[in-house]
Amino acid sequence: QVHLVESGGGVVQPGRSLRLSCAASGFAFSAYGLHWVRQAPGKGLEWVAVLSDEENIESYADSVKGRFTISRDVSKSTLYLEMNSLRVEDTAVYFCARDRGGGDRYGMDLWGQGTTVSVSS
Amino acid sequence: DIQMTQSPSLVSASVGDSLTITCRASQDISKWLAWYQQKPGKAPKLLIYAASTLQSGVPSRFSGSGSGTDFTLTITSLQPGDVATYYCQQANSFPFTFGQGTRLDIK
Repeated sequence: QVHLVESGGGVVQPGRSLRLSCAASGFAFSAYGLHWVRQAPGKGLEWVAVLSDEENIESYADSVKGRFTISRDVSKSTLYLEMNSLRVEDTAVYFCARDRGGGDRYGMDLWGQGTTVSVSS
Repeated sequence: DIQMTQSPSLVSASVGDSLTITCRASQDISKWLAWYQQKPGKAPKLLIYAASTLQSGVPSRFSGSGSGTDFTLTITSLQPGDVATYYCQQANSFPFTFGQGTRLDIK
């Protein structure tokens, strides 16, 4: 069965760093583009970053560019989000999600359950 | 960046009704639009991709249309289980962006 399971969330002070993980199972991990999407408390969805399939192209939302880095370890079937210089406004549930397939234009069809990041002093 | 604007922000309808949610892009995105359903406390679920293609397993009561800058999601024969927030997302170019969401309540 196909799954994405996020971990690594927690409470962190502003300016500190945190690394989120997303463990994948049940599908060819390297063949899909993978995204991070976040949702602040009571707010809508905000796309954060993508790592495309075989070409490994990275792209980021303006709000996190230069602070967050997306990467993957194919040997562990795990996607990461390294978050530096965290701000209070980064507080959110962070979801990882998979491209539906055939490229990144066909929506995200598989989502994890989310991991919560709280940035507070 | 491409801005996505949904309307209405909140809609209330009765079981059996039909309703339409609109999503407008700030520039031409061709057909590269997806719709998601998110129930409280859950991850989003892909309903429609490429503006009008129904994701596998999604009931045919859901349909999408549009191209360019104007898109719609239509839900017919509303069911209690359709209570959720619905989001559009442009997949034409990075950075991807979501609409602000439309919350659907059942009267």
